[in-house]
Amino acid sequence: RKEVEQDPGPFNVPEGATVAFNCTYSNSASQSFFWYRQDCRKEPKLLMSVYSSGNEDGRFTAQLNRASQYISLLIRDSKLSDSATYLCVVNLGDNQAGTALIFGKGTTLSVSS
Amino acid sequence: EPEVTQTPSHQVTQMGQEVILRCVPISNHLYFYWYRQILGQKVEFLVSFYNNEISEKSEIFDDQFSVERPDGSNFTLKIRSTKLEDSAMYFCASSPISGTQYFGPGTRLLVL
Repeated sequence: RKEVEQDPGPFNVPEGATVAFNCTYSNSASQSFFWYRQDCRKEPKLLMSVYSSGNEDGRFTAQLNRASQYISLLIRDSKLSDSATYLCVVNLGDNQAGTALIFGKGTTLSVSS
Repeated sequence: EPEVTQTPSHQVTQMGQEVILRCVPISNHLYFYWYRQILGQKVEFLVSFYNNEISEKSEIFDDQFSVERPDGSNFTLKIRSTKLEDSAMYFCASSPISGTQYFGPGTRLLVL
């Protein structure tokens, strides 16, 4: 049973490109949604939460479609420092406290000059 | 900025040995977690801990695993009799009551 599925990647893009990642989740009871970033051999770090109305943080835009159980992340004007693995994460609770985060396997992005 | 810390960064052990992985959560956080990531695989939840009790655990967290908060600052994961398949990166995380989980740098465990 794959609870969170992501584009396998890798995505290889030039600096300045726009890139989009997709994610689907299987549990319709999921309440909260996130994108984490993981650099090679490092810990996951929260990039942004994903809200039903969609939300933006600088060059990053996240969208949620509860009906389709689909989450997306758009990165505009890619930088070399954006190279990492992007993890789609869901949670059955309405906040993360005390409950398991369910991770996708991640999509690897490589930005080149 | 406060961080979750973990020791050791790397641990090599023989199959069947006991290991204890240590974590110091962020000081005002109330919830503590362990996750693992087998090389090339996804991050998997093991257990969450609150008010000196396990809140939630996964199927992976069987009788070989235990957690403890032995004092006011440390949070430990013990694997009683390690197996080859326990080789992974183990991440500790902590969160305040409002939720966001912050991860430590991990302990890379290799079981030979």
